[in-house]
Amino acid sequence: GAGVSQTPSNKVTEKGKYVELRCDPISGHTALYWYRQSLGQGPEFLIYFQGTGAADDSGLPNDRFFAVRPEGSVSTLKIQRTERGDSAVYLCASSLSGTRTEAFFGQGTRLTVV
Amino acid sequence: AQSVTQPDIHITVSEGASLELRCNYSYGATPYLFWYVQSPGQGLQLLLKYFSGDTLVQGIKGFEAEFKRSQSSFNLRKPSVHWSDAAEYFCAVALPQGAQKLVFGQGTRLTINP
Repeated sequence: GAGVSQTPSNKVTEKGKYVELRCDPISGHTALYWYRQSLGQGPEFLIYFQGTGAADDSGLPNDRFFAVRPEGSVSTLKIQRTERGDSAVYLCASSLSGTRTEAFFGQGTRLTVV
Repeated sequence: AQSVTQPDIHITVSEGASLELRCNYSYGATPYLFWYVQSPGQGLQLLLKYFSGDTLVQGIKGFEAEFKRSQSSFNLRKPSVHWSDAAEYFCAVALPQGAQKLVFGQGTRLTINP
């Protein structure tokens, strides 16, 4: 596609449930990032992939959060045992190489945990 | 710790007036610097970036920013704002090495009076 695509655009889940958020980056982009944006805040880094491997996962808040990118393209962010505090907009971005190249953002998935 | 500060949470200007949005950073070395804009329902869009060289950088939509090393600042300017500039603006930095993950400020919400 022309841009970074994230699905679903909105997700409402009950506390304690498992959710998966999908990111489809721009074709050919090797670098992929996940960020989380809480209301009234700037985005916060979660994890960075270069190809298939997670090169930096220092932003994942705890072990309930996990992300994969098995074929170096689509990525899935997985959240186990969701908590109300996980409610936020989850943003995905991709860039050509991750080095001095522009990161293009998707429109995000708004996750609400009730 | 690395940080980005946008001192103004909300700014209101009249259409046609000039604009300056402030950004200060705290890093051990000169990072890469970015300004992004986020309109309602839209993804983050890159306005401009600074890596090195000329400290005055031009971006899209008539925006410019000036890097001042002595003040650790990277303020965004526009000589004459348009109603369509109403949005949330984020300053961000990234270390030149490694993942180049973005660290965002809290954002400045810009309102335009007709």
